[in-house]
Amino acid sequence: GNSVTQMEGPVTLSEEAFLTINCTYTATGYPSLFWYVQYPGEGLQLLLKATKADDKGSNKGFEATYRKETTSFHLEKGSVQVSDSAVYFCALGRGGYNKLIFGAGTRLAVHP
Amino acid sequence: EAQVTQNPRYLITVTGKKLTVTCSQNMNHEYMSWYRQDPGLGLRQIYYSMNVEVTDKGDVPEGYKVSRKEKRNFPLILESPSPNQTSLYFCASSLSVAGNYNEQFFGPGTRLTVL
Repeated sequence: GNSVTQMEGPVTLSEEAFLTINCTYTATGYPSLFWYVQYPGEGLQLLLKATKADDKGSNKGFEATYRKETTSFHLEKGSVQVSDSAVYFCALGRGGYNKLIFGAGTRLAVHP
Repeated sequence: EAQVTQNPRYLITVTGKKLTVTCSQNMNHEYMSWYRQDPGLGLRQIYYSMNVEVTDKGDVPEGYKVSRKEKRNFPLILESPSPNQTSLYFCASSLSVAGNYNEQFFGPGTRLTVL
């Protein structure tokens, strides 16, 4: 079946550190891949997406590349800020039933 | 402003007391869905609706009901809530599911506590 596995948190970093949050997936066919962010007390916002192999999604300094050969979609940012503290969810989406399958989420805490 | 709204945002109730969480979208989306978010489990789909009068079960439908009488509204009904339904609930909507996956837009969430 389809599933998403992402690294367990929490991830604690100092401001301006490099961030990587690992995400791997299992799916049949060619899913679309997403990173969602949930800031404290808020709902989910789409951070970035990639719809086919080798696509790179980017937004707000975050990037992730759809790697079909390693079934991965790791989230990276070169220099994190305190305002990036949030929970990050990796997800895959399939056509047909339009269902999103989420990873467990990774909490990021950035300290000054 | 294009958005998905949910009400209430916070609710504390007792076991067995029927409740409804409303969801409304103003984007003329055909597809709507409910998810619950639990620590360590991410979000899991409860029910979804491809269009008016068309609903189907997601991965965790037990204890929930939905209806889709109008395109813009998709209420979630808990006929007899139990403590294991304490969770954070999200409604989402998107354009038609025909073809490739379509981006889903999420509401702000409803935090439900069942005592």
